[in-house]
Amino acid sequence: AQTVTQSQPEMSVQEAETVTLSCTYDTSESDYYLFWYKQPPSRQMILVIRQEAYKQQNATENRFSVNFQKAAKSFSLKISDSQLGDAAMYFCAYHTGTASKLTFGTGTRLQVTL
Amino acid sequence: GAVVSQHPSRVICKSGTSVKIECRSLDFQATTMFWYRQFPKQSLMLMATSNEGSKATYEQGVEKDKFLINHASLTLSTLTVTSAHPEDSSFYICSATGLAYNEQFFGPGTRLTVL
Repeated sequence: AQTVTQSQPEMSVQEAETVTLSCTYDTSESDYYLFWYKQPPSRQMILVIRQEAYKQQNATENRFSVNFQKAAKSFSLKISDSQLGDAAMYFCAYHTGTASKLTFGTGTRLQVTL
Repeated sequence: GAVVSQHPSRVICKSGTSVKIECRSLDFQATTMFWYRQFPKQSLMLMATSNEGSKATYEQGVEKDKFLINHASLTLSTLTVTSAHPEDSSFYICSATGLAYNEQFFGPGTRLTVL
């Protein structure tokens, strides 16, 4: 079965510091897409960053970057210079192509403190 | 960017009534739409996948007769919760994608409360 595991139910980081959220997944597919979504209290799902499995280079989006280890099936999210607005639930997810269903992890609640 | 809307954002209904939730893609053709259910402090659970003009594909354990999904056009999918009961109270989220995309675009969600 295809699964996504987020082993950190909650994380806390001080403002301006760096935090890494972990994610591992299990798939037999060779081609797939990985995502990190943010869900703030409004509950709107917001795409943070995406990674195509065929790309070796790790994706970056401003303060957000990933460490993609395909062989280890690991896809961690690093948030640099954390801000109060980063506080939210973060979900790791993947799918195997257009119109394919997303498989989500259980989420990590990130708290940002002053 | 691609925008997906949902209506209503909140709905309260009496037990035994039916409720319809709309999901619209505002600026792209949504060939595939997905419906999720989310309980408090939990992850999203996929209920069904619908392709425009076809019958929806339901995930295991989801009652097809209770959660009716229609995807009659490239911009609209509806989820009807029939004969709703308090246990159907939840947060329902839709997402949509199109042929030009490799990601899903999410609606803002609908909070359903069944009294």
